[in-house]
Amino acid sequence: EDQVTQSPEALRLQEGESSSLNCSYTVSGLRGLFWYRQDPGKGPEFLFTLYSAGEEKEKERLKATLTKKESFLHITAPKPEDSATYLCAVQAPGGNEKLTFGTGTRLTIIP
Amino acid sequence: SAVISQKPSRDICQRGTSLTIQCQVDSQVTMMFWYRQQPGQSLTLIATANQGSEATYESGFVIDKFPISRPNLTFSTLTVSNMSPEDSSIYLCSVGPGWGEQYFGPGTRLTVT
Repeated sequence: EDQVTQSPEALRLQEGESSSLNCSYTVSGLRGLFWYRQDPGKGPEFLFTLYSAGEEKEKERLKATLTKKESFLHITAPKPEDSATYLCAVQAPGGNEKLTFGTGTRLTIIP
Repeated sequence: SAVISQKPSRDICQRGTSLTIQCQVDSQVTMMFWYRQQPGQSLTLIATANQGSEATYESGFVIDKFPISRPNLTFSTLTVSNMSPEDSSIYLCSVGPGWGEQYFGPGTRLTVT
């Protein structure tokens, strides 16, 4: 069974303090790994797709990286508007196209 | 990416009743998905809905409890039947090209009393 574990559960950073969020996964073959941002009361917002180990994607202050066992979401010089829950999901071949999600990291950036 | 809307955005229902949630997309899509997000837990896929065929349910979810309709390529409904407090959750629809990223609606927050 596919599994996704995210750490830490919650992270509080001062504005400008860089850090990384972790997503460890176990799948029977990886079709894709996805990062989402979810604000309170809203649906997840798509950020990145990573397909193979060594791949990196960047968007503003966020950079996602992928190895064969885990993915990191690096946040550089965060701002208060980066506060949200960040979700990681994997998609595996065989059967349907479902996403298996982790429980997320709740990030708070303190001004 | 597609623009997705859901109705209602939230509701409070009594146990034993049913609620139908609507999902509307601004463009034609092949695959539509229904997820549940329980408090403090991850999103869990309920079923996949393809137009013109029966929905495919994940383990632990059954059609009698969560009937789904998919009458065309831009619309789907999920009904939560005979509700109990354990059904209190956020219900989300998503769309995607099949393999690859999915785009989510804003969700329906359901509270069962």
